[in-house]
Amino acid sequence: EAGVAQSPRYKIIEKRQSVAFWCNPISGHATLYWYQQILGQGPKLLIQFQNNGVVDDSQLPKDRFSAERLKGVDSTLKIQPAKLEDSAVYLCAITTPVRGERMGRSNYGYTFGSGTRLTVV
Amino acid sequence: GNSVTQMEGPVTLSEEAFLTINCTYTATGYPSLFWYVQYPGEGLQLLLKATKADDKGSNKGFEATYRKETTSFHLEKGSVQVSDSAVYFCALQKAGTALIFGKGTTLSVSS
Repeated sequence: EAGVAQSPRYKIIEKRQSVAFWCNPISGHATLYWYQQILGQGPKLLIQFQNNGVVDDSQLPKDRFSAERLKGVDSTLKIQPAKLEDSAVYLCAITTPVRGERMGRSNYGYTFGSGTRLTVV
Repeated sequence: GNSVTQMEGPVTLSEEAFLTINCTYTATGYPSLFWYVQYPGEGLQLLLKATKADDKGSNKGFEATYRKETTSFHLEKGSVQVSDSAVYFCALQKAGTALIFGKGTTLSVSS
């Protein structure tokens, strides 16, 4: 069964420091996403990977955020340097085929990790 | 661009009351529509979905109908329970792209 492990669960850093988050899908999945969820808002896509390649990083603040996906499985998201407004929950998600449905448009289910809660002080 | 607009919360109801959370979307073509729920201290979970116009998604007593003519996907439940207290997110997805979420609506149900 698909699952997504994220670490750490919580992180508190001072502004201008660096931080890294990890996402470990339990089994390999082609598509992996990082979302940022600021308190009181819905998740916002930061980056979408298809295997090792980036499909969409249009909303990633590239001057301070970076992400990579190794061997099409695990992924890391880094912030350097952090700002106060980066305080949020960072969610990793994968898509898996929905059992019994044909592969095709939107027939893939999302599985979200529990997230990493970052507080920048 | 594509977007989702949800009614602002919080929504506060008594147990067994009727629930409606409004959701409208802006998108070209025919996106799939979803409702996700986030219970306190837990991760996002898919509640229901609809992939084409007039489809009705349903789960755990919740329902939502994909209305192309009004670009809406309102969430309803006939009788809410305390255990339904959570944050509800409406979302859309175009083929090959990532989910786009609304801002979320907090539901609080008291006994």
